[in-house]
Amino acid sequence: AQTVTQSQPEMSVQEAETVTLSCTYDTSESDYYLFWYKQPPSRQMILVIRQEAYKQQNATENRFSVNFQKAAKSFSLKISDSQLGDAAMYFCAYRSGDISNFGNEKLTFGTGTRLTIIP
Amino acid sequence: DSGVTQTPKHLITATGQRVTLRCSPRSGDLSVYWYQQSLDQGLQFLIQYYNGEERAKGNILERFSAQQFPDLHSELNLSSLELGDSALYFCASSVEGAYSPLHFGNGTRLTVT
Repeated sequence: AQTVTQSQPEMSVQEAETVTLSCTYDTSESDYYLFWYKQPPSRQMILVIRQEAYKQQNATENRFSVNFQKAAKSFSLKISDSQLGDAAMYFCAYRSGDISNFGNEKLTFGTGTRLTIIP
Repeated sequence: DSGVTQTPKHLITATGQRVTLRCSPRSGDLSVYWYQQSLDQGLQFLIQYYNGEERAKGNILERFSAQQFPDLHSELNLSSLELGDSALYFCASSVEGAYSPLHFGNGTRLTVT
């Protein structure tokens, strides 16, 4: 079974600075997808960014980018120019793309990192 | 707005009772997922349905059951409730395909007293 580990329960960053949240995963599959979700105090789950394992290029979405290291099974999230609205729990998630798992497309989540923005 | 609707938003009930949580997926999404999030913890996968059929099961208790109806809405039934069942229950939906992200509803906050 796949596992996702977020080793930083809490992080803080000064407003306008850059912060990196870590995520590692364990899988024997070669085809999969990785996601970062944000959960603000409202408790909504909001997709931040996603990465296909077969793509070497790191995904970017405005101020959010990832550092995907497939061999190391690492998928970190970098937030640039941090804003007060970025304060939230951030969850890393794994989804199998293996054809043998077709139809079983659940997301497996890490335990989350609580990000605090210091004004 | 994710397009996924969950009702009710809040539910307070007593131990031993039974409740039903409802989810309407985004238009066009055939897959529905249920997740449980206990206080300040990650999301635990409970069960997935695709077009009315059960596709995958996670650590769902025998006291819990779910179904997806022909109009694609889904219900999660929780019975013989215990204090430990207090949690935020999320429904998510997606189109088929691992690349497609899950779109989450706003959750139902269940409090068992």
